[in-house]
Amino acid sequence: DAKTTQPTSMDCAEGRAANLPCNHSTISGNEYVYWYRQIHSQGPQYIIHGLKNNETNEMASLIITEDRKSSTLILPHATLRDTAVYYCIVRVRLSGGSYIPTFGRGTSLIVHP
Amino acid sequence: DGGITQSPKYLFRKEGQNVTLSCEQNLNHDAMYWYRQDPGQGLRLIYYSQIVNDFQKGDIAEGYSVSREKKESFPLTVTSAQKNPTAFYLCASQGPPAGTSGTYNEQFFGPGTRLTVL
Repeated sequence: DAKTTQPTSMDCAEGRAANLPCNHSTISGNEYVYWYRQIHSQGPQYIIHGLKNNETNEMASLIITEDRKSSTLILPHATLRDTAVYYCIVRVRLSGGSYIPTFGRGTSLIVHP
Repeated sequence: DGGITQSPKYLFRKEGQNVTLSCEQNLNHDAMYWYRQDPGQGLRLIYYSQIVNDFQKGDIAEGYSVSREKKESFPLTVTSAQKNPTAFYLCASQGPPAGTSGTYNEQFFGPGTRLTVL
């Protein structure tokens, strides 16, 4: 099962891009990379996911390296409300064929004025 | 509004008492999960259920029990055997986002229950 490595914490100035890295060097070919974030004392919220192509939605962009061993979540114009813990996860495949995500400690992003 | 709810938001119990945390979803998802989160830590899986009347232990199931009698409900009981029950408990369900063709699943989390054992 692939595991992920993220920096413990990062900070970013409001209005600037926040680039959050994630290493997943043992990812297998059919495993997706998912990103969630958790604002203090709330449940995690889905942000974006990808397999091998770069992805963009209204919240963020996801850049996955060609060898798929790492990825970067980009918040193009960070706001104070983006202060949260960001989790990069690779879903663990169950014997029945479905998946469960495993959450590590994530990256605590602080956006400052 | 479709979603997943947990109640209560805050719960206080005396040591040695069993307590049941509620989790309900109206998203028509088959899979549901319980996680525990301690301060500064990630989420650890307690139990999960892929379908009604079936559930499996996660990484830290000792001292907990669950039931899945209805698709919509997945209650978690924290028993007196759980040595350190004070934590933030999160319930989630998994399925395709509304309005999508079902090509991928994501997890939807409830707001959490903060349990404090005195």
